[in-house]
Amino acid sequence: GPKVLQIPSHQIIDMGQMVTLNCDPVSNHLYFYWYKQILGQQMEFLVNFYNGKVMEKSKLFKDQFSVERPDGSYFTLKIQPTALEDSAVYFCASSGTDGNTLYFGEGSRLIVV
Amino acid sequence: GQQVQQSPASLVLQEGENAELQCNFSTSLNSMQWFYQRPGGSLVSLFYNPSGTKHSGRLTSTTVIKERRSSLHISSSQTTDSGTYLCALERGNNRIFFGDGTQLVVKP
Repeated sequence: GPKVLQIPSHQIIDMGQMVTLNCDPVSNHLYFYWYKQILGQQMEFLVNFYNGKVMEKSKLFKDQFSVERPDGSYFTLKIQPTALEDSAVYFCASSGTDGNTLYFGEGSRLIVV
Repeated sequence: GQQVQQSPASLVLQEGENAELQCNFSTSLNSMQWFYQRPGGSLVSLFYNPSGTKHSGRLTSTTVIKERRSSLHISSSQTTDSGTYLCALERGNNRIFFGDGTQLVVKP
């Protein structure tokens, strides 16, 4: 079936450094999402993105977060600077023209030390 | 308040038993989706089911919009069914709300 690829699968980074999480969505999909899941907790919506713009973001999407998809390449989540509480698994998802069924990547596990 | 509530929070079965997982939502919705989260964390979409009943192998999903609930039935459970089952509702603007999940353990 359709696959969403996430790179890296895991990363350890020093607090205060910048990190970029990359997502290769399903081809021809138009809607893109990032979710955050802290170990043992509920998956939380961060942001959704369509037609080059953020459509909606949650309160978890701090000012240090940004998303973009330059020229149809990777859909990226950048955190600058990182904080300890950013440690989590970040899931990327995409959906098609109907904006309905979501396809998720395997997640990028971020550890901020 | 939480828009999506799942029950039970956890469930332990013997292999071969059936499971019924519930999802209740407090608001209107555009769609309902069920996911399976593997112990390692990755997600698999099980059903996109905005209304009615859908079947896939040993799995059945039923969504009743006017009652604001959706259920996932697993028949003849297997040890490989162990993991977390998440329901998610989409309200509009492509924003998805997840429940807390049901942790399922199937013992041999």
